[in-house]
Amino acid sequence: ETGVTQSPTHLIKTRGQQVTLRCSSQSGHNTVSWYQQALGQGPQFIFQYYREEENGRGNFPPRFSGLQFPNYSSELNVNALELDDSALYLCASSLNWGGETQYFGPGTRLLVL
Amino acid sequence: SQQGEEDPQALSIQEGENATMNCSYKTSINNLQWYRQNSGRGLVHLILIRSNEREKHSGRLRVTLDTSKKSSSLLITASRAADTASYFCATDNFNKFYFGSGTKLNVKP
Repeated sequence: ETGVTQSPTHLIKTRGQQVTLRCSSQSGHNTVSWYQQALGQGPQFIFQYYREEENGRGNFPPRFSGLQFPNYSSELNVNALELDDSALYLCASSLNWGGETQYFGPGTRLLVL
Repeated sequence: SQQGEEDPQALSIQEGENATMNCSYKTSINNLQWYRQNSGRGLVHLILIRSNEREKHSGRLRVTLDTSKKSSSLLITASRAADTASYFCATDNFNKFYFGSGTKLNVKP
């Protein structure tokens, strides 16, 4: 157990809807990163938040957005859902930014119909 | 596109044998990390090697890094059935992270 929790564990949405996924980071960690993992693939980096500011972003469109709160928990929001958004969404927290070890939560499995 | 690529894609060995997985990447890195994932669940961190290090050990794990060849290898010695999982290398350039597509390891009892 890493101490990183995610909710919900599973979610089913229809195309065009919006979704919010939540992540609680490990105690003392100020950095959270979000990943999308399609079936059979490696995780793809969406973005990273450090002390409530976006600190780095992968190749994802603006309809993927996030927030980090003062307690360093985080949200991932996805607007205008597409079928290809179906995936496992993972968050990871780290003590700081700059290549520290990341501790992953169990993930949220999203299915878009 | 993902920067790290693992080789082989799949590996099947007998319990007690050694397993070697390789990772290649494309650009300069800050460090390289290896993770394990069981059946589509969360990733578990195994080992981190910094760009100025060449080799690192942790229990039955040995990782090497060759920055001139932009490659790394993960050796698991005396494998166990519980080592059956997907293994990923991840590179970072401080605030962006790239995972490969993974090596699926099957250790037969």
